[in-house]
Amino acid sequence: AAGVIQSPRHLIKEKRETATLKCYPIPRHDTVYWYQQGPGQDPQFLISFYEKMQSDKGSIPDRFSAQQFSDYHSELNMSSLELGDSALYFCASSQGQEGSPLHFGNGTRLTVT
Amino acid sequence: RKEVEQDPGPFNVPEGATVAFNCTYSNSASQSFFWYRQDCRKEPKLLMSVYSSGNEDGRFTAQLNRASQYISLLIRDSKLSDSATYLCVVNNGYSSASKIIFGSGTRLSIRP
Repeated sequence: AAGVIQSPRHLIKEKRETATLKCYPIPRHDTVYWYQQGPGQDPQFLISFYEKMQSDKGSIPDRFSAQQFSDYHSELNMSSLELGDSALYFCASSQGQEGSPLHFGNGTRLTVT
Repeated sequence: RKEVEQDPGPFNVPEGATVAFNCTYSNSASQSFFWYRQDCRKEPKLLMSVYSSGNEDGRFTAQLNRASQYISLLIRDSKLSDSATYLCVVNNGYSSASKIIFGSGTRLSIRP
């Protein structure tokens, strides 16, 4: 079965650079979520989209932005990177039904040096 | 107090043992519940949804106790491959993604 696809798998950037992470949700899933997970921490919700519109916002820094495109893929744009942005970034998708579970992509490991 | 709490463990049990852990939640209006497993540096993977009547999937059994506001996961005949962190996830409101709350996870280590 098709899963959530994220790219790139690994990314190394220097401080103050920008990064773009991509996510392709499971076909026919209409909601996309972005999470950040630091070492030893649980995933922290950043932002979500429902039918290409931003539906909810979590602890996403102002330096970050995201959007969902007409083909339902989503991109997380990160600017003025800081050392503390180093983390695993997961995208997840779900179908619109109430209470349906999230399905996660295999993540992008971002290292800021 | 966190909205969703789990014993962080680690639980260290021999292969073949039965192990169970709980997850408590504070919002009585919580609407759906899930167990995920996460291997080191990998993505969380859905293990099972938790239904009001309890549900079983092979060696795994999940229970929901709304009165006491906890869910549980029981693993029978544990395998080495069950070693992972188990995340409890609670959905407190369908209209908002920020209401999907993750527990901090319980680490399970199965020894030969």
